[in-house]
Amino acid sequence: SAVISQKPSRDICQRGTSLTIQCQVDSQVTMMFWYRQQPGQSLTLIATANQGSEATYESGFVIDKFPISRPNLTFSTLTVSNMSPEDSSIYLCSVLTVRGYTFGSGTRLTVV
Amino acid sequence: AQSVTQPDIHITVSEGASLELRCNYSYGATPYLFWYVQSPGQGLQLLLKYFSGDTLVQGIKGFEAEFKRSQSSFNLRKPSVHWSDAAEYFCAVLTQGGSEKLVFGKGTKLTVNP
Repeated sequence: SAVISQKPSRDICQRGTSLTIQCQVDSQVTMMFWYRQQPGQSLTLIATANQGSEATYESGFVIDKFPISRPNLTFSTLTVSNMSPEDSSIYLCSVLTVRGYTFGSGTRLTVV
Repeated sequence: AQSVTQPDIHITVSEGASLELRCNYSYGATPYLFWYVQSPGQGLQLLLKYFSGDTLVQGIKGFEAEFKRSQSSFNLRKPSVHWSDAAEYFCAVLTQGGSEKLVFGKGTKLTVNP
């Protein structure tokens, strides 16, 4: 299955700042996904990012807060903008291949 | 709307004991079902999946799951738990028809006592 490299693995950020998370895949994939996992909670889909088109956001998530780039078939970024403590979560990227869904190891974000 | 329920937030078992983690889903059509495991500080690893066919699915690490349509369940089992199985387990259903996406349950945290 695809191997995903997600960076950074963790960060502590000041409120009001922004953080960009990178997701690099070792093979070309059409569909990439960004999830949020709040403390003690399950994974919630933020958006689906397909190369060559605008990301599709789930209810409760907006592009201004979570802009996504998908410049090619192996890379995507998620930016968490104007952060507040409520944004403290684990953010994971995921890809869909013929073998199914694979997840990155996540970015643990703490906003202080 | 599609949903997944994992009734047990936290389960503790002794090493060597059997394990069953419950998962119930709500989905109108034939579901595609998954079990993932998340170890501390790690991403999600797929244990097994069910698409169709044999309702008893074998996965990695000695896990299996049984799909029961009549009960809308997809429970995960392991006959003998190892200390390394301590982790969080997530059940998920793949929605279809339009936007395809995984919907996750809230997870069950497994603690293994020596």
